[in-house]
Amino acid sequence: AQSVTQLDSQVPVFEEAPVELRCNYSSSVSVYLFWYVQYPNQGLQLLLKYLSGSTLVESINGFEAEFNKSQTSFHLRKPSVHISDTAEYFCAVSVNGGTSYGKLTFGQGTILTVHP
Amino acid sequence: NAGVTQTPKFRILKIGQSMTLQCTQDMNHNYMYWYRQDPGMGLKLIYYSVGAGITDKGEVPNGYNVSRSTTEDFPLRLELAAPSQTSVYFCASSYRDSGNTIYFGEGSWLTVV
Repeated sequence: AQSVTQLDSQVPVFEEAPVELRCNYSSSVSVYLFWYVQYPNQGLQLLLKYLSGSTLVESINGFEAEFNKSQTSFHLRKPSVHISDTAEYFCAVSVNGGTSYGKLTFGQGTILTVHP
Repeated sequence: NAGVTQTPKFRILKIGQSMTLQCTQDMNHNYMYWYRQDPGMGLKLIYYSVGAGITDKGEVPNGYNVSRSTTEDFPLRLELAAPSQTSVYFCASSYRDSGNTIYFGEGSWLTVV
């Protein structure tokens, strides 16, 4: 079975400051890694994902995450946040193949609040 | 583009009542999922389906049932509503590969009183 731990339940930051949302996972097999964002009263949207290849993945709105296999981490970073980045962020994993095919296991979520 | 559509968006149920949350997708995805979201708990998988006629239990299936008679539709049924089923429910779908993006509906807020 897989598990995902998001190390911070809430992260308050000021606008234009850098931010890091931490995610660690546990799995006995190789996994795909995802970050989803949820704005208030909306569904989840994919922010970025790691499937294979380069361990650094980027989103179109300036977020990036780095897959670290030795530390089983997939931390999300942004060098300068905006008010509009205020949302809840979920880290998730899925296993390739077997009975877990296609299913996501989510972390508990991190609420990012950007203050002016 | 409709994507994944869930109805109703909000519902209040009395303990012991039954209801069905409807979900339909127009992307011809073969995989469909139902998750529930509780504060501070992330999302938990209730049921999933890998194609029409095939469903399986997820992490928290008790108190729920599903069916998948068509590729497009994946309704979730609550037979005897309990306060513990007060939650936000998300339907989602994806194409066959687990590396493909999973698309979520906008959620259904259910309160059991």
